[in-house]
Amino acid sequence: GAGVSQSPSNKVTEKGKDVELRCDPISGHTALYWYRQSLGQGLEFLIYFQGNSAPDKSGLPSDRFSAERTGGSVSTLTIQRTQQEDSAVYLCASSLQGLTPYEQYFGPGTRLTVT
Amino acid sequence: KQEVTQIPAALSVPEGENLVLNCSFTDSAIYNLQWFRQDPGKGLTSLLLIQSSQREQTSGRLNASLDKSSGRSTLYIAASQPGDSATYLCVRAGGTSYGKLTFGQGTILTVHP
Repeated sequence: GAGVSQSPSNKVTEKGKDVELRCDPISGHTALYWYRQSLGQGLEFLIYFQGNSAPDKSGLPSDRFSAERTGGSVSTLTIQRTQQEDSAVYLCASSLQGLTPYEQYFGPGTRLTVT
Repeated sequence: KQEVTQIPAALSVPEGENLVLNCSFTDSAIYNLQWFRQDPGKGLTSLLLIQSSQREQTSGRLNASLDKSSGRSTLYIAASQPGDSATYLCVRAGGTSYGKLTFGQGTILTVHP
């Protein structure tokens, strides 16, 4: 079946512009996660959505970052007034959710370059 | 702070060797521990997931163990192949938000023919 998809695969933007990154989770997965991987750094948690619960935004690095999940499916990560340090690969993952967290399936990522 | 540490940072071995990748974590209150591989320019592929109530999982040539009391996990790769070359990530789920994953820095594995 279809896995997690992300678009665009690559995005180059000028410093100060806003960008939107999209994630389509696996159908039926109630949990959705955003991570980023900066050059030479490990993966960093950003935000987590679970069903209709309030999202866990504890990993968002600044108020320039926000994310929405519409209809419990597609999610959009928005970065306002992009800075060069925002350059990274942004990864989305989804999973089923129960009493314990299920295996997370990752999308291919969006490579963001801020010039 | 919840941390995940992986040792070694890089490993280069000849084809056919058995090898062990190590992972340690600071908080034993985990929900599960997952091992992923990441290939250059690609996303993450889940290899094995060990629930907190389990001690190990096996898939093909891969075996992962979990010792919550000591805060350690190991990934054992038998009869390594060049196709195993990738970055291996140890990932812990748990803590204040159980859906949140904490990633190790990874072990870069190179298996040469």
